[in-house]
Amino acid sequence: NAGVTQTPKFRVLKTGQSMTLLCAQDMNHEYMYWYRQDPGMGLRLIHYSVGEGTTAKGEVPDGYNVSRLKKQNFLLGLESAAPSQTSVYFCASSKFTLAGGLWEQFFGPGTRLTVL
Amino acid sequence: QKEVEQDPGPLSVPEGAIVSLNCTYSNSAFQYFMWYRQYSRKGPELLMYTYSSGNKEDGRFTAQVDKSSKYISLFIRDSQPSDSATYLCAMILFSNDYKLSFGAGTTVTVRA
Repeated sequence: NAGVTQTPKFRVLKTGQSMTLLCAQDMNHEYMYWYRQDPGMGLRLIHYSVGEGTTAKGEVPDGYNVSRLKKQNFLLGLESAAPSQTSVYFCASSKFTLAGGLWEQFFGPGTRLTVL
Repeated sequence: QKEVEQDPGPLSVPEGAIVSLNCTYSNSAFQYFMWYRQYSRKGPELLMYTYSSGNKEDGRFTAQVDKSSKYISLFIRDSQPSDSATYLCAMILFSNDYKLSFGAGTTVTVRA
């Protein structure tokens, strides 16, 4: 199993450009998440999804959009990139179980994005 | 004020020392408490979790939760250079909503 994979690993954008980050998981997890990680700020939740076709806003959703058309994929879009969106982006997934396994999130390797 | 506070360090210790990490939180509704380890340029991975006050041991690692003080700790005994990483605390509450909050992370270096 590959676990959680992210594409691309690195990207440099100019202000105003758009791009889509792809996250894929092969663990059949219901929940998927997008975070950004900035120095001194820890991980901050951008958007998350509790299942195919559903998405919800996290702590810092402005400037981002997401889609979950297939259970295994979660896309993060930047419509008009800004320098403030320079960050490392992590995707994660977790499985919902009545036993409480929801709390273990499996993370991808990250995408380093620089917006000039 | 952040909901979860964690001293970012950095923390540098000699091999074999005990590493002590901690987080404080403000929301008493948090129910589950976790520690993630993140190696440089990698994604975080779950190290330990607990949902009650008290201690939980796993090998050289001990997680401690004090809900009355809103304080959690992670201790690493007999630290090794391979323990050099950033450690993030995280906590979850389930109510009408699902909320997961991370600390900023503490960077630890264990010197050989």
